[in-house]
Amino acid sequence: AQSVAQPEDQVNVAEGNPLTVKCTYSVSGNPYLFWYVQYPNRGLQFLLKYITGDNLVKGSYGFEAEFNKSQTSFHLKKPSALVSDSALYFCAVRDPSTNAGKSTFGDGTTLTVKP
Amino acid sequence: DTEVTQTPKHLVMGMTNKKSLKCEQHMGHRAMYWYKQKAKKPPELMFVYSYEKLSINESVPSRFSPECPNSSLLNLHLHALQPEDSALYLCASSTVMGAQYFGPGTRLLVL
Repeated sequence: AQSVAQPEDQVNVAEGNPLTVKCTYSVSGNPYLFWYVQYPNRGLQFLLKYITGDNLVKGSYGFEAEFNKSQTSFHLKKPSALVSDSALYFCAVRDPSTNAGKSTFGDGTTLTVKP
Repeated sequence: DTEVTQTPKHLVMGMTNKKSLKCEQHMGHRAMYWYKQKAKKPPELMFVYSYEKLSINESVPSRFSPECPNSSLLNLHLHALQPEDSALYLCASSTVMGAQYFGPGTRLLVL
């Protein structure tokens, strides 16, 4: 079985400060990992993914994430937060060795960036 | 074109009505998905189509009936829904193992 945990319901940061949104996962094989963002009254928007290769993945809008196999983590980071980054963030995992069609999403973390 | 479109944007229906949600993508993706999402919760997978065949049904009640007429279109037929079915319904598409691209959703209210 595959699972994802986002341990923080809410993250608050000041504009210009670095931000981190945490994600840990559990899969039986090698994971495919994804981050999505959802703005109010919108669908989810793909930010970045880790499939294989370099552990540091860069994505849209200046976001990046680091895959850490030993800690089974895939934390989302940004060096300097913007007020417009305020949104709901979901981490997702897919185990390619099992059910190819199904991603499991974390419960989400609400990021609030204050001016 | 990385857009997934969904119609209608909003839908209000009674418990005896029949309606359909529509989804379209032109990215050449061969996997398409229906999700149900309640406010501030993660999306819940309902159905997955792979190469136009239903590959996953997450034990969804029969009042929801999916259809994939071709590789670009996905429908969700609704009949005799319950008030607890009110939610945001999201369509997504992906390459078979890639990231999913989501539409804006249909906000459904069942009275």
